[in-house]
Amino acid sequence: EAQVTQNPRYLITVTGKKLTVTCSQNMNHEYMSWYRQDPGLGLRQIYYSMNVEVTDKGDVPEGYKVSRKEKRNFPLILESPSPNQTSLYFCASSPRHTLYGYTFGSGTRLTVV
Amino acid sequence: AQRVTQPEKLLSVFKGAPVELKCNYSYSGSPELFWYVQYSRQRLQLLLRHISRESIKGFTADLNKGETSFHLKKPFAQEEDSAMYYCALASGAGSYQLTFGKGTKLSVIP
Repeated sequence: EAQVTQNPRYLITVTGKKLTVTCSQNMNHEYMSWYRQDPGLGLRQIYYSMNVEVTDKGDVPEGYKVSRKEKRNFPLILESPSPNQTSLYFCASSPRHTLYGYTFGSGTRLTVV
Repeated sequence: AQRVTQPEKLLSVFKGAPVELKCNYSYSGSPELFWYVQYSRQRLQLLLRHISRESIKGFTADLNKGETSFHLKKPFAQEEDSAMYYCALASGAGSYQLTFGKGTKLSVIP
């Protein structure tokens, strides 16, 4: 089944403890992206990647890192999480041109205390 | 910079009534617009794209460049249409950046 898989689905952590949210797609998509979803703010792009070793900042990149060493994986790294990063995170992928539409993962609900 | 505006946070309609979810955009280039839907506790799904002029689940959307709008419409609402709806604009050199509106929650009253 073609899909985008995120792990974990739920995560509670403490301020300052490094964490990684994994994202993997099995559709050979070039383009991958991370979004955070917050009430009243909709979805905001954190980082995106146009292909292996090519990443760029989205609208809200502060406090996050990403890497794209392989085409299928696009992990989101929080080096020192803070409470304002408590949010619902979505990974998404698409073929080269987003006119085909994104495929989204199921989401990761992160709570930083 | 591009911007997508969905003026209604919540829209409540009765079953069988027409639905119109509003979306306005601001973009200097040629717009590529989408509607995504998120049902309760599920992931976002692509509903429709303006370039394909399709009708999905009875929904249609027409791009009006003069009014910079891409409103989503359905003639007769059904209870299963209750969900969050997001309008999105693709931009960038390869249209690889997707900017979302803040979403409208549609509630269909039985």
